[in-house]
Amino acid sequence: EPEVTQTPSHQVTQMGQEVILRCVPISNHLYFYWYRQILGQKVEFLVSFYNNEISEKSEIFDDQFSVERPDGSNFTLKIRSTKLEDSAMYFCASRGRLAGGSYNEQFFGPGTRLTVL
Amino acid sequence: AQSVAQPEDQVNVAEGNPLTVKCTYSVSGNPYLFWYVQYPNRGLQFLLKYITGDNLVKGSYGFEAEFNKSQTSFHLKKPSALVSDSALYFCAVRDPSGNTPLVFGKGTRLSVIA
Repeated sequence: EPEVTQTPSHQVTQMGQEVILRCVPISNHLYFYWYRQILGQKVEFLVSFYNNEISEKSEIFDDQFSVERPDGSNFTLKIRSTKLEDSAMYFCASRGRLAGGSYNEQFFGPGTRLTVL
Repeated sequence: AQSVAQPEDQVNVAEGNPLTVKCTYSVSGNPYLFWYVQYPNRGLQFLLKYITGDNLVKGSYGFEAEFNKSQTSFHLKKPSALVSDSALYFCAVRDPSGNTPLVFGKGTRLSVIA
């Protein structure tokens, strides 16, 4: 069964450093998302991406954040200068039509736990 | 603006008993509704969805949910709970137009006791 993958599973960084979180969405999916979940809190939307551009972004997704689809398979989230409050689990998701299926549900990766010290 | 409410932080149920995890939503127009489950240190797994049609939808692992438009609810149910169902459950809503994101509830922790 196709799945979304994310690397690394855990990233520890110093405050002010840049981090890049990587995701490989399900092949042939067209819509991509990043969400985050601060420990013990609900899942929050960051950004959606379609046709090589941002479709929508939340207030959390400020100038420190950027997304890129550098090739046909990867989808990355970059945080330029990390802050303590960026510590969270970051989930990538993709949406598209699977064989015989619909295109309404988003499939999530296992997440990257980012710890900013 | 869309929103989802999960009024219970925690639901405890004995194994073999029916379970219900509550969800209400607020959205303009006809919503797309979803349930996801999160096991410890894992990502979100899709359980089921309501898009249109029959108000009772069936999903993975024997779960089902009933869409009630008048009560703006989408409660998750299972006739007979298993210990392995213990996890964090998230209700989510999406506006069907465009590439809109999911809006999640805060989650309900289900604990099934043997």
